[in-house]
Amino acid sequence: GAVVSQHPSWVICKSGTSVKIECRSLDFQATTMFWYRQFPKQSLMLMATSNEGSKATYEQGVEKDKFLINHASLTLSTLTVTSAHPEDSSFYICSATPLAGLSSYNEQFFGPGTRLTVL
Amino acid sequence: DAKTTQPPSMDCAEGRAANLPCNHSTISGNEYVYWYRQIHSQGPQYIIHGLKNNETNEMASLIITEDRKSSTLILPHATLRDTAVYYCIVREPSRMSAGNMLTFGGGTRLMVKP
Repeated sequence: GAVVSQHPSWVICKSGTSVKIECRSLDFQATTMFWYRQFPKQSLMLMATSNEGSKATYEQGVEKDKFLINHASLTLSTLTVTSAHPEDSSFYICSATPLAGLSSYNEQFFGPGTRLTVL
Repeated sequence: DAKTTQPPSMDCAEGRAANLPCNHSTISGNEYVYWYRQIHSQGPQYIIHGLKNNETNEMASLIITEDRKSSTLILPHATLRDTAVYYCIVREPSRMSAGNMLTFGGGTRLMVKP
């Protein structure tokens, strides 16, 4: 199946710093990628929809100025957590759907996740 | 709003079949049933999907009731590596890729025991 990678796989940072997480589709192109957040023992919660060449769409309650999303190409989306605080510590997961024609059932392929710990 | 209901946890003996139920009584005619699983500290993994017919692939079988209000994911010979949280999701595929986000419920935590 299609492969999605994330970098870094884990990161520890100090409170107040910014952290950038990359999501790449390795063998397919995706106009849309999704960013999810998962707290311990909870389910995945959609944060935002990342659209190539346009602004991201954020879910209610997600601060767009804090979680900056850039979808610069058909294979790369980045999530930057600005001025991170301990409550931002979480597991961040991206996913992507191949362009139409590659998957007739709109399967989503998930990255392995990035564990962020803010001290 | 949750569209599916799953038991929070289940145990299964290694080598036996694991049958994971999902209730989706409000499913609409164009919505598919998708199953994903998430092994601890990893991203979700697609397992199988179906509309109304039973489906089988190398990972699992999906049995959908005739009224489509419930389904069962079957792992025919569970192994320890199948221990994970299994999510049942109903969704209508969208031609617009931006419409393909998944809404995850609580899922079922399957523990396969030796």
